[in-house]
Amino acid sequence: DAGVIQSPRHEVTEMGQEVTLRCKPISGHDYLFWYRQTMMRGLELLIYFNNNVPIDDSGMPEDRFSAKMPNASFSTLKIQPSEPRDSAVYFCASRPGAFLYGYTFGSGTRLTVV
Amino acid sequence: AQSVTQPDIHITVSEGASLELRCNYSYGATPYLFWYVQSPGQGLQLLLKYFSGDTLVQGIKGFEAEFKRSQSSFNLRKPSVHWSDAAEYFCAVGARAGGTSYGKLTFGQGTILTVHP
Repeated sequence: DAGVIQSPRHEVTEMGQEVTLRCKPISGHDYLFWYRQTMMRGLELLIYFNNNVPIDDSGMPEDRFSAKMPNASFSTLKIQPSEPRDSAVYFCASRPGAFLYGYTFGSGTRLTVV
Repeated sequence: AQSVTQPDIHITVSEGASLELRCNYSYGATPYLFWYVQSPGQGLQLLLKYFSGDTLVQGIKGFEAEFKRSQSSFNLRKPSVHWSDAAEYFCAVGARAGGTSYGKLTFGQGTILTVHP
Protein backbone atom coordinates (compact mmCIF):
# COMPACT_ATOMS: atom_id res chain seq x y z
CA ASP A 1 0.00 0.00 0.00
CA ALA A 2 1.32 3.44 -0.94
CA GLY A 3 -0.03 5.04 2.21
CA VAL A 4 -1.89 8.33 2.38
CA ILE A 5 -0.95 10.42 -0.62
CA GLN A 6 -1.10 14.19 -0.56
CA SER A 7 -0.48 16.63 -3.35
CA PRO A 8 1.15 18.95 -3.93
CA ARG A 9 4.03 18.64 -1.45
CA HIS A 10 4.69 22.34 -1.63
CA GLU A 11 2.46 25.20 -2.74
CA VAL A 12 3.37 28.86 -2.98
CA THR A 13 0.58 31.20 -3.91
CA GLU A 14 -0.28 34.85 -3.77
CA MET A 15 -2.76 36.27 -1.33
CA GLY A 16 -6.27 36.17 -2.69
CA GLN A 17 -5.74 33.15 -4.90
CA GLU A 18 -7.63 29.90 -4.56
CA VAL A 19 -5.68 26.94 -3.24
CA THR A 20 -6.73 23.29 -3.48
CA LEU A 21 -5.01 20.58 -1.50
CA ARG A 22 -5.61 16.93 -2.37
CA CYS A 23 -5.59 13.71 -0.46
CA LYS A 24 -5.93 10.05 -1.37
CA PRO A 25 -6.54 7.92 1.73
CA ILE A 26 -5.56 4.32 2.16
CA SER A 27 -7.99 2.01 0.45
CA GLY A 28 -10.52 0.59 2.89
CA HIS A 29 -10.09 3.30 5.49
CA ASP A 30 -13.44 4.67 6.60
CA TYR A 31 -12.22 7.86 8.24
CA LEU A 32 -10.35 10.80 6.74
CA PHE A 33 -8.98 13.76 8.67
CA TRP A 34 -7.52 17.12 7.72
CA TYR A 35 -5.07 18.71 10.15
CA ARG A 36 -3.18 21.98 10.03
CA GLN A 37 0.21 22.36 11.71
CA THR A 38 1.74 25.71 12.65
CA MET A 39 4.41 26.72 15.12
CA MET A 40 1.97 28.82 17.09
CA ARG A 41 -1.01 26.48 17.27
CA GLY A 42 0.51 23.04 16.79
CA LEU A 43 -1.65 20.37 15.17
CA GLU A 44 -5.26 21.39 14.77
CA LEU A 45 -8.03 19.17 13.47
CA LEU A 46 -9.90 21.03 10.77
CA ILE A 47 -12.50 18.49 9.67
CA TYR A 48 -13.07 14.78 9.47
CA PHE A 49 -15.17 12.47 7.35
CA ASN A 50 -16.65 9.06 7.98
CA ASN A 51 -17.66 7.11 4.89
CA ASN A 52 -17.34 10.29 2.83
CA VAL A 53 -19.70 12.25 5.07
CA PRO A 54 -18.39 15.25 7.04
CA ILE A 55 -18.84 14.51 10.75
CA ASP A 56 -17.20 17.42 12.50
CA ASP A 57 -16.07 20.62 10.81
CA SER A 58 -15.86 22.71 13.96
CA GLY A 59 -12.14 23.19 13.44
CA MET A 60 -12.50 24.87 10.07
CA PRO A 61 -11.26 28.37 10.80
CA GLU A 62 -13.65 30.34 8.63
CA ASP A 63 -15.82 30.26 5.57
CA ARG A 64 -12.83 30.63 3.31
CA PHE A 65 -12.06 26.99 4.06
CA SER A 66 -14.07 24.15 2.57
CA ALA A 67 -13.51 20.41 2.30
CA LYS A 68 -15.13 17.72 0.22
CA MET A 69 -14.92 14.00 -0.12
CA PRO A 70 -16.74 13.03 -3.32
CA ASN A 71 -15.75 9.37 -3.01
CA ALA A 72 -13.87 6.99 -0.77
CA SER A 73 -10.56 7.56 -2.51
CA PHE A 74 -10.32 11.32 -2.76
CA SER A 75 -10.69 14.44 -0.68
CA THR A 76 -9.92 18.11 -1.20
CA LEU A 77 -9.35 21.04 1.10
CA LYS A 78 -9.90 24.38 -0.55
CA ILE A 79 -9.01 27.85 0.63
CA GLN A 80 -10.60 30.73 -1.22
CA PRO A 81 -9.36 33.42 -0.99
CA SER A 82 -6.06 32.54 0.62
CA GLU A 83 -4.35 34.80 3.15
CA PRO A 84 -0.77 34.87 4.51
CA ARG A 85 -1.99 33.56 7.88
CA ASP A 86 -3.09 30.37 6.15
CA SER A 87 0.56 29.46 5.63
CA ALA A 88 1.08 26.13 7.37
CA VAL A 89 1.62 22.45 6.76
CA TYR A 90 -1.64 20.67 6.03
CA PHE A 91 -1.84 16.97 6.80
CA CYS A 92 -4.33 14.43 5.69
CA ALA A 93 -4.74 11.23 7.70
CA SER A 94 -6.93 8.17 7.39
CA ARG A 95 -7.79 5.16 9.50
CA PRO A 96 -9.96 2.07 9.40
CA GLY A 97 -13.23 1.92 11.31
CA ALA A 98 -11.69 0.72 14.55
CA PHE A 99 -9.74 3.24 16.59
CA LEU A 100 -7.41 0.41 17.54
CA TYR A 101 -5.45 0.71 14.34
CA GLY A 102 -4.52 4.35 14.75
CA TYR A 103 -4.14 6.93 12.05
CA THR A 104 -1.85 6.93 9.03
CA PHE A 105 -0.66 10.37 8.06
CA GLY A 106 0.36 11.67 4.69
CA SER A 107 3.58 13.60 4.22
CA GLY A 108 1.75 16.90 4.23
CA THR A 109 1.45 19.92 1.97
CA ARG A 110 3.49 22.94 2.93
CA LEU A 111 1.48 26.00 1.94
CA THR A 112 3.03 29.43 1.71
CA VAL A 113 0.81 32.40 0.95
CA VAL A 114 2.73 35.54 0.04
CA ALA B 1 -13.55 18.10 25.66
CA GLN B 2 -10.28 16.26 25.83
CA SER B 3 -6.92 18.01 25.96
CA VAL B 4 -3.26 17.08 26.08
CA THR B 5 -0.32 18.86 27.67
CA GLN B 6 3.30 18.17 26.89
CA PRO B 7 5.16 20.29 29.42
CA ASP B 8 8.55 20.12 27.73
CA ILE B 9 8.90 22.01 24.48
CA HIS B 10 12.50 20.95 23.90
CA ILE B 11 14.63 18.23 25.47
CA THR B 12 18.30 17.53 24.84
CA VAL B 13 19.94 14.25 25.76
CA SER B 14 23.22 12.56 25.00
CA GLU B 15 23.31 9.50 22.80
CA GLY B 16 23.02 6.41 24.96
CA ALA B 17 21.23 8.22 27.77
CA SER B 18 17.74 7.35 28.89
CA LEU B 19 14.76 9.42 27.83
CA GLU B 20 11.39 10.29 29.29
CA LEU B 21 8.93 12.58 27.54
CA ARG B 22 6.00 13.74 29.61
CA CYS B 23 2.36 13.78 28.61
CA ASN B 24 -0.67 14.70 30.68
CA TYR B 25 -4.20 14.46 29.43
CA SER B 26 -7.60 15.70 30.44
CA TYR B 27 -10.59 13.51 29.73
CA GLY B 28 -13.62 12.41 31.69
CA ALA B 29 -12.94 8.70 31.40
CA THR B 30 -10.15 6.44 30.25
CA PRO B 31 -9.15 7.67 26.83
CA TYR B 32 -7.34 6.15 23.95
CA LEU B 33 -3.73 7.36 24.11
CA PHE B 34 -1.11 7.55 21.42
CA TRP B 35 2.44 8.68 20.82
CA TYR B 36 3.55 9.81 17.38
CA VAL B 37 6.94 10.84 16.04
CA GLN B 38 7.57 13.37 13.30
CA SER B 39 10.89 13.69 11.52
CA PRO B 40 11.64 16.96 9.72
CA GLY B 41 9.57 17.34 6.58
CA GLN B 42 7.67 14.15 7.22
CA GLY B 43 4.24 13.12 8.39
CA LEU B 44 3.53 11.61 11.77
CA GLN B 45 4.36 7.99 12.47
CA LEU B 46 2.62 5.98 15.17
CA LEU B 47 5.01 4.81 17.89
CA LEU B 48 2.57 3.12 20.25
CA LYS B 49 -0.94 3.22 21.60
CA TYR B 50 -2.89 2.38 24.74
CA PHE B 51 -6.46 1.17 24.72
CA SER B 52 -6.91 -1.04 27.76
CA GLY B 53 -5.26 -3.77 29.75
CA ASP B 54 -1.58 -3.68 30.64
CA THR B 55 -0.66 -0.11 31.48
CA LEU B 56 2.87 -0.51 30.12
CA VAL B 57 2.80 -0.62 26.35
CA GLN B 58 5.61 -1.39 23.99
CA GLY B 59 6.05 0.35 20.68
CA ILE B 60 8.36 0.49 17.73
CA LYS B 61 11.98 1.60 17.80
CA GLY B 62 12.43 0.47 21.41
CA PHE B 63 9.98 2.96 22.91
CA GLU B 64 7.53 2.23 25.69
CA ALA B 65 4.93 4.25 27.56
CA GLU B 66 3.14 3.83 30.83
CA PHE B 67 -0.45 4.84 31.47
CA LYS B 68 -1.01 6.15 34.98
CA ARG B 69 -4.65 6.86 35.62
CA SER B 70 -4.05 8.49 39.00
CA GLN B 71 -1.73 11.02 37.41
CA SER B 72 -3.55 11.36 34.09
CA SER B 73 -0.23 10.72 32.43
CA PHE B 74 1.14 8.69 29.56
CA ASN B 75 4.89 9.28 29.55
CA LEU B 76 7.10 7.96 26.79
CA ARG B 77 10.40 6.30 27.66
CA LYS B 78 13.41 4.80 26.01
CA PRO B 79 16.33 3.30 27.94
CA SER B 80 19.05 4.28 25.49
CA VAL B 81 18.60 7.02 22.90
CA HIS B 82 20.12 6.82 19.43
CA TRP B 83 21.03 9.82 17.29
CA SER B 84 18.30 8.78 14.84
CA ASP B 85 15.68 9.38 17.54
CA ALA B 86 16.08 13.13 17.12
CA ALA B 87 12.63 14.31 16.02
CA GLU B 88 9.47 15.86 17.36
CA TYR B 89 7.20 13.72 19.50
CA PHE B 90 3.48 14.16 19.92
CA CYS B 91 1.16 12.73 22.50
CA ALA B 92 -2.49 12.41 21.49
CA VAL B 93 -5.75 11.49 23.15
CA GLY B 94 -8.90 10.10 21.55
CA ALA B 95 -12.37 9.98 23.02
CA ARG B 96 -13.94 6.59 23.68
CA ALA B 97 -17.51 7.82 23.81
CA GLY B 98 -19.81 8.38 20.89
CA GLY B 99 -20.86 11.63 19.34
CA THR B 100 -18.71 13.88 17.22
CA SER B 101 -15.76 13.60 19.63
CA TYR B 102 -15.39 9.91 18.92
CA GLY B 103 -12.97 9.14 16.18
CA LYS B 104 -10.80 12.21 16.37
CA LEU B 105 -7.46 12.76 18.05
CA THR B 106 -6.39 15.79 20.01
CA PHE B 107 -2.65 16.38 19.97
CA GLY B 108 -0.30 17.97 22.42
CA GLN B 109 2.01 20.76 21.33
CA GLY B 110 4.89 18.40 20.79
CA THR B 111 8.34 17.93 22.31
CA ILE B 112 11.42 18.42 20.18
CA LEU B 113 14.16 15.95 21.00
CA THR B 114 17.78 16.81 20.27
CA VAL B 115 20.39 14.09 20.65
CA HIS B 116 24.02 15.02 21.28
CA PRO B 117 26.74 12.61 20.16
